[in-house]
Amino acid sequence: DAMVIQNPRYQVTQFGKPVTLSCSQTLNHNVMYWYQQKSSQAPKLLFHYYDKDFNNEADTPDNFQSRRPNTSFCFLDIRSPGLGDAAMYLCATSRYRTSGSPYNEQFFGPGTRLTVL
Amino acid sequence: AQTVTQSQPEMSVQEAETVTLSCTYDTSESDYYLFWYKQPPSRQMILVIRQEAYKQQNATENRFSVNFQKAAKSFSLKISDSQLGDAAMYFCAYRSANDMRFGAGTRLTVKP
Repeated sequence: DAMVIQNPRYQVTQFGKPVTLSCSQTLNHNVMYWYQQKSSQAPKLLFHYYDKDFNNEADTPDNFQSRRPNTSFCFLDIRSPGLGDAAMYLCATSRYRTSGSPYNEQFFGPGTRLTVL
Repeated sequence: AQTVTQSQPEMSVQEAETVTLSCTYDTSESDYYLFWYKQPPSRQMILVIRQEAYKQQNATENRFSVNFQKAAKSFSLKISDSQLGDAAMYFCAYRSANDMRFGAGTRLTVKP
C-alpha cells in the first residue's frame, strides 16, 4: 500500500547532540511537510517542500534544518537539540495544487517521538 | 496569521449518539479550505472531511458532516451514530495559499 513512513518511531538523543529524523513516501507526492507536535497541542508546521523548493516557516528556529534529496525522501535535522525540542515530529505529503483545483488532503506518517535527555 | 480555535479540549458521547465538535477560525483570505483530521491513539492522522470555502453546501461523508458558516467563520463537525472507533483526537485545519494551520484539537471519548 502507498504510504508515508517515518523512521525511527522513537528516538532518544542527548542535549546538544545532533539528530536526524527520516521520512519516506511511496505516494509520489511532490509536496512534503514537517510538523512538530507537543503534547496536547496542535501540530505546528516547521517547513515544507514543493518538489525541491524549500519553504521555511518564519518562526521555525535555525536549529531545525531539512533536506530532500529526491521525491521519496525527506529528512529533519536538529543540530543541537534542547529539552524544549522533545516532541512528536510528523511528516506529511500531498499532491501539489494546480490552478483551479482544490487543496489536496495531507497524508501523514505515524510520527517520530523525540526524547531529549 | 490565521488562527484556528477549538474551544472544547475534551468531549464525550454515548455510543450510537450524535456529537458536534466546534471550530472557529480567523482569516482575511477568500480562497481557503477547511479540514477535519482524526488522530487515533498511537496511530497516524487521517482526513475525515474537507470543505471548500467557496461552496455553500456543507460537506458530508457517511456519518460525518460539517456545519460551515462562512460569515461567522465557524466550521463544526457532526458525528452521527457514534462508534467506539471514533474515539480519537480531532483536529480542525485551515489551508490557503499562504498558510497551513491546525487547531489545538478535541479529544473525543466514546462510551459504550
